[in-house]
Amino acid sequence: SYELTQPLSVSVALGQTARITCEGNNIGGRNAHWFQQRPGQAPILVIYRDNSRPSGIPERFSGSNSGNTATLTISRAQAGDEADFYCQVWDGTTVVFGGGTKLTVL
Amino acid sequence: EVQLLESGGGLVQPGGSLRLSCAASGFTFSNHAMTWVRQAPGKGLEWVSHIRSHGENTYYADSVKGRFTISRDNSKNTMYLQMSSLRAEDTALYYCARDLFAGYDGGFDCWGQGTLVTVSS
Repeated sequence: SYELTQPLSVSVALGQTARITCEGNNIGGRNAHWFQQRPGQAPILVIYRDNSRPSGIPERFSGSNSGNTATLTISRAQAGDEADFYCQVWDGTTVVFGGGTKLTVL
Repeated sequence: EVQLLESGGGLVQPGGSLRLSCAASGFTFSNHAMTWVRQAPGKGLEWVSHIRSHGENTYYADSVKGRFTISRDNSKNTMYLQMSSLRAEDTALYYCARDLFAGYDGGFDCWGQGTLVTVSS
């Protein structure tokens, strides 16, 4: 079965740029989606189809996907960005989520 | 306002059954595929099942195949998850979510707040 690997945690200084990776075999050939989940809340879609932002998501959030790595980039990190982030793809007829990355803003 | 409201969760014994509902409002329900995702306490997201906009295709995670059945009633703007032969490992918060598109792979752009299912004797 297809697997997605994310780092358990990423730290970023306030105002700096955070990058969260999602590794999978030829993930660049699939559409990667990214979700933010704050404690006690439902997930929110922040990037879909590699690099598209849903309405209401700040331009500080961007995505890329190539080769074996999809990346979520958060520019000018804010305290409110602290959350768990999950990548997701379709593998044939099943949905696969990465294990999640906890983003800490220092 | 786009809204999804799950219901039907609760405490059930191992081997028991439960039916979850997801009531949608604020958008044209029949234009969107829908999905169920669960999250065990303190764990990550786990996809459960997906149904296309008119129910023409359904998909299941291996962990629930043969035990869970997804369905929808577009006339009632509601999606369902019939769960049977429940196990302790099915204990989780169950979210319903909307796919951006009618088929699949659009990204899940709207989520409910979840309904808690606890399987325990």
